[in-house]
Amino acid sequence: KAGVTQTPRYLIKTRGQQVTLSCSPISGHRSVSWYQQTPGQGLQFLFEYFSETQRNKGNFPGRFSGRQFSNSRSEMNVSTLELGDSALYLCASSLGLDSYEQYFGPGTRLTVT
Amino acid sequence: AQSVAQPEDQVNVAEGNPLTVKCTYSVSGNPYLFWYVQYPNRGLQFLLKYITGDNLVKGSYGFEAEFNKSQTSFHLKKPSALVSDSALYFCAVRDVARQLTFGSGTQLTVLP
Repeated sequence: KAGVTQTPRYLIKTRGQQVTLSCSPISGHRSVSWYQQTPGQGLQFLFEYFSETQRNKGNFPGRFSGRQFSNSRSEMNVSTLELGDSALYLCASSLGLDSYEQYFGPGTRLTVT
Repeated sequence: AQSVAQPEDQVNVAEGNPLTVKCTYSVSGNPYLFWYVQYPNRGLQFLLKYITGDNLVKGSYGFEAEFNKSQTSFHLKKPSALVSDSALYFCAVRDVARQLTFGSGTQLTVLP
């Protein structure tokens, strides 16, 4: 079974631009969570989607948004990029809301210049 | 609010020796605890979890973790370290809202 895939793997953007990252969960998984990983703040939860609905949200500004499609694929969007948004963005999928195990993708490395 | 502490940024151990990576947690209610490992330029890989039951949890790649409720700890252990175990290890706790809170990570280096 294929794992979680994220595209693109690397991205360079300029301050003020917006970016969209994509995540395809493991087949059959319906829950997708997003995390931001930085050297300073570590791993921080962004949001979780299940059945096309945001179920949980971390403490990030409204510039960070996401959505989930009917096939469980998910996208996250960051608008008006700031230098501090440079990070590894990780997507994780799980079977459902009551699943304890999350399976992570390789991440998208975003660099904002 | 829940929290996880990994008191050691770096742990060095000789190959073949036992290893321990420490984790303490703070959570209201029953703790759901996890260990993940991250290799360079890779996402996190699930190692093991504690939900309920035996205090000694066995996981992938020969790793195990000991849950200690009185000390609020969930230390990761392996009887005999391999050079290939060198990686970044994260402890995490899940709250009732299913949100994972991660520790700051411990870089494990196994010396040949």
